[in-house]
Amino acid sequence: GAVVSQHPSWVICKSGTSVKIECRSLDFQATTMFWYRQFPKQSLMLMATSNEGSKATYEQGVEKDKFLINHASLTLSTLTVTSAHPEDSSFYICSARDRGLDSTDTQYFGPGTRLTVL
Amino acid sequence: KQEVTQIPAALSVPEGENLVLNCSFTDSAIYNLQWFRQDPGKGLTSLLLIQSSQREQTSGRLNASLDKSSGRSTLYIAASQPGDSATYLCAVSSGGSYIPTFGRGTSLIVHP
Repeated sequence: GAVVSQHPSWVICKSGTSVKIECRSLDFQATTMFWYRQFPKQSLMLMATSNEGSKATYEQGVEKDKFLINHASLTLSTLTVTSAHPEDSSFYICSARDRGLDSTDTQYFGPGTRLTVL
Repeated sequence: KQEVTQIPAALSVPEGENLVLNCSFTDSAIYNLQWFRQDPGKGLTSLLLIQSSQREQTSGRLNASLDKSSGRSTLYIAASQPGDSATYLCAVSSGGSYIPTFGRGTSLIVHP
C-alpha cells in the first residue's frame, strides 16, 4: 500500500516557539491531505483539509492563524503550530488522499507526531 | 452529520478467544469503512478497508463485515493473541466528502 511519512516523530519545545511538522506521500501524488489531532484516549479529530496550491479548509473551532498549513507540492504538506502553548500538546496525524485508477478513494495515514510544549 | 460509535469501549480477554468489535454509523450513504489498529503512542495501521459495494473483507485472522442498511460493521478477530492488544478504530467515509469520521475506538487487552 501507499506510504505516508511524518517528520519529526516527536518534538519537545518551549512555550511561545513555533513548530513545523511535515507530511509526505512517498509513492503517490496527493492533491489533498488532512491534518488530525488526537488527545489521550480520544479519537482523531479533523483539524483541516490541505489542498495543493490553495488555502487550507479549517474545521470549526480550529484557529487558522495558530495552525498554519501549507501544501506546496503534490507530495508535501506542512503544519506549523505557531506560538505553541502547553494546551497544544497532542498527537498530530496527517493523511494523504490517493485517488486510484479503479475509482477508489483511499486515505493513507502517517505515523503521527507527538508534540509536547513545556 | 455522520456519527460513529464503537462498542465496547474496552475489552479484556484471555488469549485464544474469538472476538467481535462493533461499529455503528448514523448515515448509511457511505463511501467506505476502514478498520485501523493503533498501538499506544503510535500512528494508525490500516487493517481492512471495505468499499460501500462490498459486504466483507478478510485478512488473516481478521474479518470485517459491513451492513449499510443497518449502519453497522463488525471486526472479528479469531484466536486472539497478546500481540493483538491495541486500540481498534473504525472510520467511515461518507458519500461526497470522502473524509472519514472516526469512532472513539475499542481498547483491547489480550492477556496470556
